[in-house]
Amino acid sequence: QQQVKQSPQSLIVQKGGISIINCAYENTAFDYFPWYQQFPGKGPALLIAIRPDVSEKKEGRFTISFNKSAKQFSLHIMDSQPGDSATYFCAANHRGSTLGRLYFGRGTQLTVWP
Amino acid sequence: ETGVTQSPTHLIKTRGQQVTLRCSSQSGHNTVSWYQQALGQGPQFIFQYYREEENGRGNFPPRFSGLQFPNYSSELNVNALELDDSALYLCASSLVGTGGEQYFGPGTRLTVT
Repeated sequence: QQQVKQSPQSLIVQKGGISIINCAYENTAFDYFPWYQQFPGKGPALLIAIRPDVSEKKEGRFTISFNKSAKQFSLHIMDSQPGDSATYFCAANHRGSTLGRLYFGRGTQLTVWP
Repeated sequence: ETGVTQSPTHLIKTRGQQVTLRCSSQSGHNTVSWYQQALGQGPQFIFQYYREEENGRGNFPPRFSGLQFPNYSSELNVNALELDDSALYLCASSLVGTGGEQYFGPGTRLTVT
């Protein structure tokens, strides 16, 4: 069972546009929601993360919106650039008996056209 | 600050063989997690090591085993390799108490033929 569901599977955006990737979860014990960016042949890089006590977090062009009641969170990339073309993964974690286990979505392949 | 490193970068093995992958955690981190990433999929948790002991395991059989050393580096061992074990194996390090922040290495690409 996929603990974190991510959509869309792929996304094509023009340069300067806004990229939006959505994730949903069921486990209310999750209390940490990171986004990772992965380029081909590389490991995932932590991009930005949020905890459920805030509804939004912004770092540069990247913003996470979090809706606790709907159990959904999303990544917004403003002014998308060709260099943003990568696969993005949402993930979730809870402070349980397994320290720091991350549950990942299936990923979204983002292509930004110049 | 040194990031997470993994070796080797690529590896080709034959079905039935055994393999050992290595990981050096980011300086200051005391927890290491291993993930398997099949092509086109998100990483799947294999297990985590803290204080040199396994601290949680995902849905992987016992032929996947690991070690953590006093310097927090780690090994992933896979016995009796199967074709489906072909994947990118990722190591992530973290610091207990930071609530889940994990930093990944570049991975080891394992191909089983």
